[in-house]
Amino acid sequence: NAGVTQTPKFRVLKTGQSMTLLCAQDMNHEYMYWYRQDPGMGLRLIHYSVGEGTTAKGEVPDGYNVSRLKKQNFLLGLESAAPSQTSVYFCASSYSVRDTGELFFGEGSRLTVL
Amino acid sequence: GNSVTQMEGPVTLSEEAFLTINCTYTATGYPSLFWYVQYPGEGLQLLLKATKADDKGSNKGFEATYRKETTSFHLEKGSVQVSDSAVYFCALLDAYQGGKLIFGQGTELSVKP
Repeated sequence: NAGVTQTPKFRVLKTGQSMTLLCAQDMNHEYMYWYRQDPGMGLRLIHYSVGEGTTAKGEVPDGYNVSRLKKQNFLLGLESAAPSQTSVYFCASSYSVRDTGELFFGEGSRLTVL
Repeated sequence: GNSVTQMEGPVTLSEEAFLTINCTYTATGYPSLFWYVQYPGEGLQLLLKATKADDKGSNKGFEATYRKETTSFHLEKGSVQVSDSAVYFCALLDAYQGGKLIFGQGTELSVKP
């Protein structure tokens, strides 16, 4: 089973460039999340989705956009990348976080913005 | 708002030593609490959880007890192994608007042979 797959795993961008991170899950989960991980800051929630066609803002949504057109995919977009967006990005999914609290994480995508 | 605070790392221990990683939370009501572990180069995975006050979560020799009096959920293990070297995250469930996990800043544990 693939679980949660993130692409790409590594990317280097120049300031002002745009890109999209793709998250795909094959577990038929309703809930999907995008977090960023920075040293000393832990994981901070960027955006999340509680079902196909829905999205909501997390703690640090500025500079990012998301879409959930298909249940299995959750896209994170950076329209104009900034050095402050250099981070490791994690996607996660859950069948029912309110019942189990269990998130299944991808392996992460390391983004560097020069 | 809801938040989680963990003791700062890194924590370095010798094999077979006793481990405690402190975690306290601020929240409305009594949210479910979790410990996640991140091994090098991997995503996070659930280690244990407790859903109500005085519950004890346990897994792989790790334990944590939900203490509402002190709003704490400290992680303990009686005898750590080199393979326990990882980053440990405390988290709480914020059930508002569908549900999401709020994580602490993580504590890096390094166990030396």
